Amino acid sequence: GQQLNQSPQSMFIQEGEDVSMNCTSSSIFNTWLWYKQDPGEGPVLLIALYKAGELTSNGRLTAQFGITRKDSFLNISASIPSDVGIYFCAAALGETSGSRLTFGEGTQLTVNP
Amino acid sequence: GAVVSQHPSRVICKSGTSVKIECRSLDFQATTMFWYRQFPKQSLMLMATSNEGSKATYEQGVEKDKFLINHASLTLSTLTVTSAHPEDSSFYICSATLGGNTIYFGEGSWLTVV
Repeated sequence: GQQLNQSPQSMFIQEGEDVSMNCTSSSIFNTWLWYKQDPGEGPVLLIALYKAGELTSNGRLTAQFGITRKDSFLNISASIPSDVGIYFCAAALGETSGSRLTFGEGTQLTVNP
Repeated sequence: GAVVSQHPSRVICKSGTSVKIECRSLDFQATTMFWYRQFPKQSLMLMATSNEGSKATYEQGVEKDKFLINHASLTLSTLTVTSAHPEDSSFYICSATLGGNTIYFGEGSWLTVV
């Protein structure tokens, strides 16, 4: 079935450093999403991407929808301790973020003060 | 903003019993709700898609007779784990959407089967 390959699996960084993570797929998707999940809670949407090549920012976060529609990356600039958590990419065949989603395996981010 | 609420947030049940988890959209009518299962340190795996008033569509490998989903109203979907066993212990998360434009996730429900 459809699968998203997310990397890296985990990251340990110092406060203030920039972070980059990405997701790839062998299949084309029409919507890419990035979520953050804190322990014991549901995922929270960070950025939604709807068009190939689209680059979108949300504060210190920047994400891009790959031109081939098979990949996406998320960058976090000037990381802070509250950035700690698990980041998931998700993608949908539909052209809205309310479509059936496939999730990546997640990137566990640890930020050392 | 829109909120999706799950209840209970944590439940412990005995092996062989059934347990029901509710997913409510608090300030919008959800045409579609999704149920996910997440094991520790793993990703969210879609179990089923539920449209109001119709039978749920289950993902491959998910037993529909074990995981009963009811979406009787536009604001409520329920997941019932029947004859629960320890291997069913997991974090269950629902999400809801109105018309497919935006999806909202619930806070999740921890199920522990002892």
